[in-house]
This record gives sequence, structure tokens and C-alpha cells, in this order.
Amino acid sequence: NAGVMQNPRHLVRRRGQEARLRCSPMKGHSHVYWYRQLPEEGLKFMVYLQKENIIDESGMPKERFSAEFPKEGPSILRIQQVVRGDSAAYFCASSRWVDQPQHFGDGTRLSIL
Amino acid sequence: TQLLEQSPQFLSIQEGENLTVYCNSSSVFSSLQWYRQEPGEGPVLLVTVVTGGEVKKLKRLTFQFGDARKDSSLHITAAQPGDTGLYLCAGAGGNAGNMLTFGGGTRLMVKP
Repeated sequence: NAGVMQNPRHLVRRRGQEARLRCSPMKGHSHVYWYRQLPEEGLKFMVYLQKENIIDESGMPKERFSAEFPKEGPSILRIQQVVRGDSAAYFCASSRWVDQPQHFGDGTRLSIL
Repeated sequence: TQLLEQSPQFLSIQEGENLTVYCNSSSVFSSLQWYRQEPGEGPVLLVTVVTGGEVKKLKRLTFQFGDARKDSSLHITAAQPGDTGLYLCAGAGGNAGNMLTFGGGTRLMVKP
């Protein structure tokens, strides 16, 4: 998992605050995916990005959530006005090409007080 | 919506026993990945199967992709305590595009 770097590993926010989760893909990988793992549930797809483009955001909640993958720097998953139900582990994965296996980071565990 | 049903959800066995984990779907996938996840960490890729009927072996682990590319199995021979963990299957391609559709996971405990 060392290849895909996510930070922070743990994030605590109060209701109404903003959460920013960062993901640096493996070297040479230009495809980034975000997944969410709710307590006692499986991993669910959120969004798929390539550099500067959102390819598939069918798993993203319609409000408060956004993602970007700028030309320079890490991919960012942003959650505005967080609520208790946003508490989960958020995982980022990357792949070199679109049909290649995805490799995961160790996740960011978000807790909402 | 594509779904992957993984069974069993929980499995507790003695060291040395064999076990099989199943992953079934009514949908066709282009490929299927098996991951293992430890507490507090992300899923680690074990294997990718692509061709219908494909069998891959990784030491004591044998992975099979169904002929119709709708199901897969993971068989562990002579399980060891170090095999304890959460095993996840994930399908890619088909109607889902490149996103991964995950099964619910099998939590395996191997007792010494």
C-alpha cells in the first residue's frame, strides 16, 4: 500500500465543518478512484478522475461532496458542512491505465463529532 | 446496478483445514480482483483474473474465474493463522465501466 499515499490518516471534524482528504497516486498512475467504506459495510465507489477531468461521479452524493485531480498535486476529496453520517473510511486507489488493476492507499478515517 | 454476493460472510476454522470463498453475480465482468484487507489498512491486491475459466495459483491460494465471467472462487489449502483477515472480491468492467463493484467481504479467522 505504500505506493498510494493518503493523508491525513485520521481526521476529526465537528458537524458543519469542511473535510479535505488528499491522495497522491502511485508513480506513473494517472487514474484515481475514491471509495467509501461505512462502518460494517463494504467499499462503495464514489468517483473516478483522470488529470483535470472527472470521468465518472455516479457514486458521489449530489450535495456537499466534490473531487478534483489537478494537473499538479494530489487528488482532493472535499466534503462541505459535514454531518455524522459522513463518518467513514475513505479510500483512494490508482491505476496506470483504465483497464489495469487498482492499488489502494491505507485510507483516511473521518470522524464527525 | 451490478451486485456481487460474497459468501460466507464469516468463517472460523482450525489451522490446517481447507476453505473456499465464493463470489457470485448475475452480471458479467471484464475482470475480477481479489483483495485482502487488514484492520486499519487499505485493501491489498492478491490477484486479477480476466479470462473465463482462468485459474491462478498463489502459493496455497487458488483463484478461479467462472466460464461466464460472472462468478469467482478463492480456495485456501492448509490454512494458517497468518491467513486471518478480510478477503474482498471486486468486479470491474461490463456495465460498471472501470469502477470496482465490491462484494461484502469474508472475514476469515484461522485458529492455531
